[in-house]
Amino acid sequence: SYELTQPPSVSVSPGQTAKITCSADALPKQYAYWYQQKPGQAPVLVMYQDTERPSGIPERFSGSSSGTTVTLTISGVQAEDEADYYCQLADSSAAFVVFGGGTKLTVL
Amino acid sequence: QLQLQESGPGLVKPSETLSLTCTVSGNFISSGYYWGWIRQPPGRGLEWIGSIHHSGNTYNNPSLKSRVTIVTDTSRNQFSLNLGSVTAADTAVYHCARVRTVAGTKVGSWFDSWGQGTLITVSS
Repeated sequence: SYELTQPPSVSVSPGQTAKITCSADALPKQYAYWYQQKPGQAPVLVMYQDTERPSGIPERFSGSSSGTTVTLTISGVQAEDEADYYCQLADSSAAFVVFGGGTKLTVL
Repeated sequence: QLQLQESGPGLVKPSETLSLTCTVSGNFISSGYYWGWIRQPPGRGLEWIGSIHHSGNTYNNPSLKSRVTIVTDTSRNQFSLNLGSVTAADTAVYHCARVRTVAGTKVGSWFDSWGQGTLITVSS
């Protein structure tokens, strides 16, 4: 198994760009996924296969992958984006799943 | 539209077995997907518990493997989780979800539809 490391918190002002990183020991051939979770709600998928946005997710959400780090970028952050964000990967067989520890995004 | 709904006892005593059921709307459970369980202790992050295919093939989190059993009941469009020998550390909101997978140049597995979750408290 492996671990995914996220910063516990990120703070930005409205309209600024938020970057949330997720570091792994190694992820040469695994896609990354990102979920947004607001208090009392189930997680919602906001990015899949590193860079793909599900239907209904605003264009200000984007994803990237470089080396052993994947990044979720929110451009022009809005107050409604305040939430916890989790990265998630599966192992090389796509069977075993791991979540990052989560990042609390605060919109100042 | 796919919907998932968890159901369970709410309160479980220490050392007993936690049993949860996820009901999947329509006839999706036999549609070839895997179905998973994820939990979230109060104030903490998400933890994958395990996944099951309607054929019965399962994958469980190694950290929980010896305590986890996941089964399907396709006739009822349900899949269930049994977690044995529970302690206070198993207190959490338990979610069920549909698993999607992709394999090609890279591989991936993710959860595209989630139930709202049910809080299970382990206490005497």
